[in-house]
Amino acid sequence: AQSVAQPEDQVNVAEGNPLTVKCTYSVSGNPYLFWYVQYPNRGLQFLLKYITGDNLVKGSYGFEAEFNKSQTSFHLKKPSALVSDSALYFCAVRDMSSGTYKYIFGTGTRLKVLA
Amino acid sequence: GEEVAQTPKHLVRGEGQKAKLYCAPIKGHSYVFWYQQVLKNEFKFLISFQNENVFDETGMPKERFSAKCLPNSPCSLEIQATKLEDSAVYFCASSQDRAPNYGYTFGSGTRLTVV
Repeated sequence: AQSVAQPEDQVNVAEGNPLTVKCTYSVSGNPYLFWYVQYPNRGLQFLLKYITGDNLVKGSYGFEAEFNKSQTSFHLKKPSALVSDSALYFCAVRDMSSGTYKYIFGTGTRLKVLA
Repeated sequence: GEEVAQTPKHLVRGEGQKAKLYCAPIKGHSYVFWYQQVLKNEFKFLISFQNENVFDETGMPKERFSAKCLPNSPCSLEIQATKLEDSAVYFCASSQDRAPNYGYTFGSGTRLTVV
């Protein structure tokens, strides 16, 4: 079965410090990996995706993610956190076993950036 | 437009009442997806459409849930005889292609509260 795990319910980081939000996946075949962010009372906003190519993917708002095939991970990173980055972050993988390639989401990680 | 429009934003229903949610996908997007976000932020896939045709309905509780996407009308998700456990945020998303490298654009969701 294909799945995504986000091992941390919450991550706290001080403003200006680097942040990492962890994600590991389990898929058959090549993974198609995504990160989304959800602000309160809003839908999911796309941050970045890994399809193929460079293992370091750059996305919106200064975020980047590192694809590591041997560790089956796709951690989200930012060199310097902002208070406005505080939100709920979801990692997702496309379900390649279904014809719709629908998203399978992780359970989300709440990021709190402290001033 | 360039956003997925969901209405209403909030819906309160007594147990046993009907609930109907609407979603206008982005113009030109052929695929529509419905997800249910429940406690602990879990996203559960419900159903997807390719234009007006059901593409994948493996997540739908068929006894009480139904959905349609008709030409020139918003898509709809209807819950007959709501139960307390149906309380959740329902997200609609659209995509121009089902290929796994295409991301979804999500609406802001409809929060359904069953009392």
